[in-house]
Amino acid sequence: LAKTTQPISMDSYEGQEVNITCSHNNIATNDYITWYQQFPSQGPRFIIQGYKTKVTNEVASLFIPADRKSSTLSLPRVSLSDTAVYYCLVGDKLTGGGNKLTFGTGTQLKVEL
Amino acid sequence: DTEVTQTPKHLVMGMTNKKSLKCEQHMGHRAMYWYKQKAKKPPELMFVYSYEKLSINESVPSRFSPECPNSSLLNLHLHALQPEDSALYLCASSQTGQNNSPLHFGNGTRLTVT
Repeated sequence: LAKTTQPISMDSYEGQEVNITCSHNNIATNDYITWYQQFPSQGPRFIIQGYKTKVTNEVASLFIPADRKSSTLSLPRVSLSDTAVYYCLVGDKLTGGGNKLTFGTGTQLKVEL
Repeated sequence: DTEVTQTPKHLVMGMTNKKSLKCEQHMGHRAMYWYKQKAKKPPELMFVYSYEKLSINESVPSRFSPECPNSSLLNLHLHALQPEDSALYLCASSQTGQNNSPLHFGNGTRLTVT
């Protein structure tokens, strides 16, 4: 099974760029890397997904090196509202259909003024 | 707001009660999931339905019984629960159930077993 490792917590200040790295040494050839954000008492929310190189959307960028054994979520100019837990997921495809997406421990990001 | 709707938002039940959690999505997604989340822990996968068929049961005790009446609905029937089953129960859906199909989560049902 693919496993992910992330820092338990990170602190930042408003306006700074935050980079959260995820290690996934056993990633499979067909696995995508997906990041989610979760606020207290809410379900996780999709942020970004990638397979290789770099992906950018309106809220974040995802950098994936050639060996795909790690990935970095980059949040530009964070604000207080970005304080949340961030999860990196890689999937395990099921032979019966569906995808077993196992959450790692996540990174608690705290943004201060 | 989320496109996956879970009801009820909160539920308190005794250990002898029978209750059901409900989840609904109208995005045409073909895979649906139940996760359990304890405080300050990541969500743990319980069940996966793919095209209305149960494709995985993560060794969940039989006091939790999932049901997928159709492609838009997912239920979780609860019976004879224990206090340690108190948690946030999250439902999710994905378009195809494939690895590149992101999960869409509801905001969960906060369950307390007394």
